[in-house]
Amino acid sequence: NAGVTQTPKFRILKIGQSMTLQCAQDMNHNYMYWYRQDPGMGLKLIYYSVGAGITDKGEVPNGYNVSRSTTEDFPLRLELAAPSQTSVYFCASGGSGLNEQYFGPGTRLTVT
Amino acid sequence: QKEVEQNSGPLSVPEGAIASLNCTYSDRGSQSFFWYRQYSGKSPELIMSIYSNGDKEDGRFTAQLNKASQYVSLLIRDSQPSDSATYLCAVKGSGAGGTSYGKLTFGQGTILTVHP
Repeated sequence: NAGVTQTPKFRILKIGQSMTLQCAQDMNHNYMYWYRQDPGMGLKLIYYSVGAGITDKGEVPNGYNVSRSTTEDFPLRLELAAPSQTSVYFCASGGSGLNEQYFGPGTRLTVT
Repeated sequence: QKEVEQNSGPLSVPEGAIASLNCTYSDRGSQSFFWYRQYSGKSPELIMSIYSNGDKEDGRFTAQLNKASQYVSLLIRDSQPSDSATYLCAVKGSGAGGTSYGKLTFGQGTILTVHP
């Protein structure tokens, strides 16, 4: 049982490039979330999903897109990367009961 | 704007002491409350959850919730150097129409250092 996995661990992008951050969970959770964490700050919700085919914006969605075609996978797409998107990105999943969320190891992204 | 505020840090305590971490929240309809521990360069790890008023104990950790005062705290007894980390308070709000889809609002975190 791997829990929540994320790839890649690190990435450097040039301004204007695009990339997809991958996230997968094997706990059969309905709910999945993407957060970003800037240095010394808490976590900000980017997008979330309550099930396959259902996604919605969080607090800071601009510059990002998501899709959820299966229960297991929830990729985050960055289009036209900007320096403001330099951050650590965490994916999390949770059940619909107690709503405890479990986090992946994170992706550290630098945009230069 | 729903807010979660944690006591400003960093907090430094000697080994063996009690560390007290505090959190207040603005959404009076909030239902569930969580404490996460985050080591430097690592992801948040759930260490405590609390859903009703009062105390909940798990080993050296005690979470306390007072919904009337909109206050939640985490006590760490017999603090160890391995407890040195950032502690994040997270709150599940009431959401529009009473449905929040498990979304959490996080505080900014309190850095705890336990020195030998």
